[in-house]
Formats: sequence, C-alpha cells, structure tokens
Amino acid sequence: DQQVKQNSPSLSVQEGRISILNCDYTNSMFDYFLWYKKYPAEGPTFLISISSIKDKNEDGRFTVFLNKSAKHLSLHIVPSQPGDSAVYFCAASGETSGSRLTFGEGTQLTVNP
Amino acid sequence: DAGITQSPRHKVTETGTPVTLRCHQTENHRYMYWYRQDPGHGLRLIHYSYGVKDTDKGEVSDGYSVSRSKTEDFLLTLESATSSQTSVYFCAIRSGPYTDTQYFGPGTRLTVL
Repeated sequence: DQQVKQNSPSLSVQEGRISILNCDYTNSMFDYFLWYKKYPAEGPTFLISISSIKDKNEDGRFTVFLNKSAKHLSLHIVPSQPGDSAVYFCAASGETSGSRLTFGEGTQLTVNP
Repeated sequence: DAGITQSPRHKVTETGTPVTLRCHQTENHRYMYWYRQDPGHGLRLIHYSYGVKDTDKGEVSDGYSVSRSKTEDFLLTLESATSSQTSVYFCAIRSGPYTDTQYFGPGTRLTVL
C-alpha cells in the first residue's frame, strides 16, 4: 500500500523556467510533509516542509503548496537552475506514524541550460 | 551537516556472509533510523531507534537486525546477506523532539554477489 506517491519518475525543464513536482498521499492522518533533494552518491538533503495547518510555505526559490482536500502537495522551484538537477523525494508523517516518515518514489528533475 | 557518518561507504560481499553497517552521530540525537533506497521504491524504513537499547521495526525489516548500545552509534546487521539486500543504505537522525524532520548520512552502497 503506497501511501505517498510521486507519479512522475522524471521531469525536464529549461533553465529559468518553473519546475513543478507533484506528490499525492492517501493517509488522511498525515499532518506534516517534507521535500528532500538527492544528488548521486550523496544522502538526501532536507529542502522544505509544511504543516497541515498551512497551505503554503516559501523559502527562497522553493515553495511548497498543500491541498488537504485533494491530498496533494507540490514543490515549485522558480527560477530553475542547472544545479537543481537531482532526485526529489516527498515524505509525510503524522500522529499515527510516530516519528516515522513515509517517502514517495522520487522524481528525477533535469534542468537544461 | 547533521554530524552523521556511515561506515563503510562501499562494501561488496558474498551471499550468506554477515555484514554490519555503522552509523555514527556526534550531536546526541535520540532518534535514529536506517533506510534502504532502491529504484522505484524511494526510501524505505528498515528499523529505527528511539533511545539506547530501544528499537523498533520499519516496513522492510525482514533479514535485518539493529543494535544501539550508545547514543551515538546505531548498527545495522545483515545476519546472512542475500542478493536482494543489494542496495544503498542511509542512516538518519531526527533533529529534535518537536519536529519530524530527519537529516541523512552520506549512505553505504552494499553489493551482495
């Protein structure tokens, strides 16, 4: 039972344009959501998070949007840069999962110069 | 940098041999986690620890055991390695008691022949 899904294995965008990465979840008890970025041969790096009491959180070029009714979150990167090319994972946690995170499968973002 | 190191960083072993991976943290975090990353699966939790000698299973714990005799070290053991345990293994810590944000180590690439 995949509780967190990233339906797009890959995404390619031009430098300077917006990148939108999507994530869907099924567990209505999830109340905290995170995005991680992962470069090859490195560990995942925490990028940004959002609590279910908010619908938007912004940090520089990165904005996460949460639509609780649709059980959907998205990560917007504006403007995209070649250094943003990486695998992006969304993750979720909630009261019933304790401190555990449930991850999506990941989306490979490629930003072309 | 969450002060997490993993050793070894790379290991090749043969089916049926025991393998122990080590995670070491320098910041006295209570919660520690072991994940494996495989293509198409994202990161999956193997085991986690919420204190010295306190551990619990994750979603893919079969074939793995863990031990935590000191706050700073969390060991993952494959008692008898199988080819299906070829993967990249990541250790993580929870950054504080009031957040579910986790920070990851650099990973160990394990190949079981």
